[in-house]
Amino acid sequence: SSELTQDPAVSVALGQTVRITCRGDSLRGSYASWFQQKPGRAPLLVFYGKDNRPSGIPDRFSGSNSGNTASLTITGAQAEDEADYYCNSRDDSGNHGVVFGGGTKLTVL
Amino acid sequence: QITLKESGLTLVKPTQTLTLTCAFSGSSLSTSGVGVAWIRQPPGKALEWLALIFWDDDKRYSPSLKNRLTISKDTSKNQVVLRMTNMDPVDTATYYCAHRLQYPSGTTPYDAFDIWGQGIMVTVSS
Repeated sequence: SSELTQDPAVSVALGQTVRITCRGDSLRGSYASWFQQKPGRAPLLVFYGKDNRPSGIPDRFSGSNSGNTASLTITGAQAEDEADYYCNSRDDSGNHGVVFGGGTKLTVL
Repeated sequence: QITLKESGLTLVKPTQTLTLTCAFSGSSLSTSGVGVAWIRQPPGKALEWLALIFWDDDKRYSPSLKNRLTISKDTSKNQVVLRMTNMDPVDTATYYCAHRLQYPSGTTPYDAFDIWGQGIMVTVSS
């Protein structure tokens, strides 16, 4: 099956911009979706597809896709953005399933 | 507004079969395009996709767990059921069901799970 690779941890100063990346061959044929997860909570969809942000998600969250890499950018990170972030994509191994990345712990300093 | 809620036993013994139910409301499992997935997360670890079922009964499974999983739906009750056989302590995790957004036909696919249940913590121990 496919694999998606994320940096385990990233930090950003309050108010600055941070990019969280997700790499994998499956991203050449499908878009990533991004999920934010805070301790003890279910994941929350924050960006998906080419350029879709769910209702209620601040516009400081944006996404991009290029080749085998997808990125989630937070422009002007806030303290409440500190969380784990997961990407996913379609599994391109032929079973039409889904694969998740290993997650990135974002710390807002 | 779509909501999902997981239910089932929270403590199972090794080798037993786990059965989890996802109660789906705010839409119908028979509506074209609807998909519901099961995703789990061991304590302190990453999300892992398990299975996905669509309105037309199309089913997809994680390759690594395919032999142990069965996903099904009861349209009359608007429920999705996941069965996992031969449970092991490594299967201890929070199990979530989630609604999958339908992407426009003929476009680049994505698997965006926009609505999640609260999750159910399942412990496998003798």
